[in-house]
This record gives sequence, C-alpha cells and structure tokens, in this order.
Amino acid sequence: GESVGLHLPTLSVQEGDNSIINCAYSNSASDYFIWYKQESGKGPQFIIDIRSNMDKRQGQRVTVLLNKTVKHLSLQIAATQPGDSAVYFCAGLRSNDYKLSFGAGTTVTVRA
Amino acid sequence: EAQVTQNPRYLITVTGKKLTVTCSQNMNHEYMSWYRQDPGLGLRQIYYSMNVEVTDKGDVPEGYKVSRKEKRNFPLILESPSPNQTSLYFCASSPLGGEQFFGPGTRLTVL
Repeated sequence: GESVGLHLPTLSVQEGDNSIINCAYSNSASDYFIWYKQESGKGPQFIIDIRSNMDKRQGQRVTVLLNKTVKHLSLQIAATQPGDSAVYFCAGLRSNDYKLSFGAGTTVTVRA
Repeated sequence: EAQVTQNPRYLITVTGKKLTVTCSQNMNHEYMSWYRQDPGLGLRQIYYSMNVEVTDKGDVPEGYKVSRKEKRNFPLILESPSPNQTSLYFCASSPLGGEQFFGPGTRLTVL
C-alpha cells in the first residue's frame, strides 16, 4: 500500500534562514501531493500542492519540488519566521479513489 | 465563512458508552473524511465518503461507523468506545481530487 514519510521528525532553524523539509512516498499511484501546516491546537492548513505532471511549484515564500524518479518531494520555506513554527505534513492523493495518505510530520522550530 | 465544524471539541467518556462526533461543511464538497491523529503516527484515515450514501473504509476503520445521509454532514460514531480510541480526531472535506479543508479537531478521551 501507499506510505508517505518524512525524513526527519524535527527541524530547528534560525530565523531568517531557509528551511527544507523532505518527504518520500512509496506508491507511484499518488499523483497529487499536498503540504499542510499544523499549528498547536488547530487542524492542518493547506500550504501548497503539486500535481505529478509538475516538478516545481512556487507560492508565497514556499516552494515545493517533486522528483518522481526517486519518489521524493520537499518543501522549502524562504526567510523562515517565528510564525512558521509548526508541524508540517506531506500527503499524497490517489486520484482513482481520492485516498489521502499522510506522513508522520516534521516539527519545525524557529530560533530567534 | 467557508468552514468545517466539529462537535464536541473535547469529550471525556467511559468505555462502552456510545458517542457521536458531528462534522458539517458549508462548501458543498462531495468528499468528506475522518482522521485520527496520534503522536508519531501522523494522520490516519478512518472512513471517507465521496458523495451522499457512499462511504468507504480508510486505513483504521475498526471500532468506528459513519453515515452520509446529507452532503454537508458526516458524523463519526463510536458504538462501544475503548481506551485505544483516545485520540485527536479531524474531519475534512474537499471537492473531489482537490485540497482538503480540515475542521478544528475533537479531542476524545476514553477512560
């Protein structure tokens, strides 16, 4: 079955630096990938998504890269701010049954 | 305001006492889903529904039931809760194949 996992459970970043969060997926049937941010006490919030026919997508201060060859995606956050401290999840969606599988999450802590 | 609402937000109950957690969305989404979140395990899907009267098992459906009689509502039912169902539960909705919007979560403790 599908599994989506993150490489590191925690990441500590100096304020102003760039953050990179990595994620690997096992099933090439996933064709839509989403990054979510979860702040303490809240539900996950959409950050950015990417379809499998793309390699890169940019948003405001965030970039997602998808490497289908090695089944890897990453989330890059530019100029990390204290408000970026949260748990970040990658998720893969299969379009045949719309099943969404989540990784375990990476906790990002921003140091002042 | 477009949103997913869940009730209750917090619940403490005892083993075997049936409970229902409600979920409602006002975005006319076809797809709705329930997840549980446990430390170190991320979010695991319990059940999902692609439309009214259509429900399917996710990764961890044992001990749970759902129903989808109306498009906007997707209640999660625990007929006989057990302590291993103590968890943080999230409901989500989306258009088919699109971004999922999550509710605020329900923290359930089963004693």
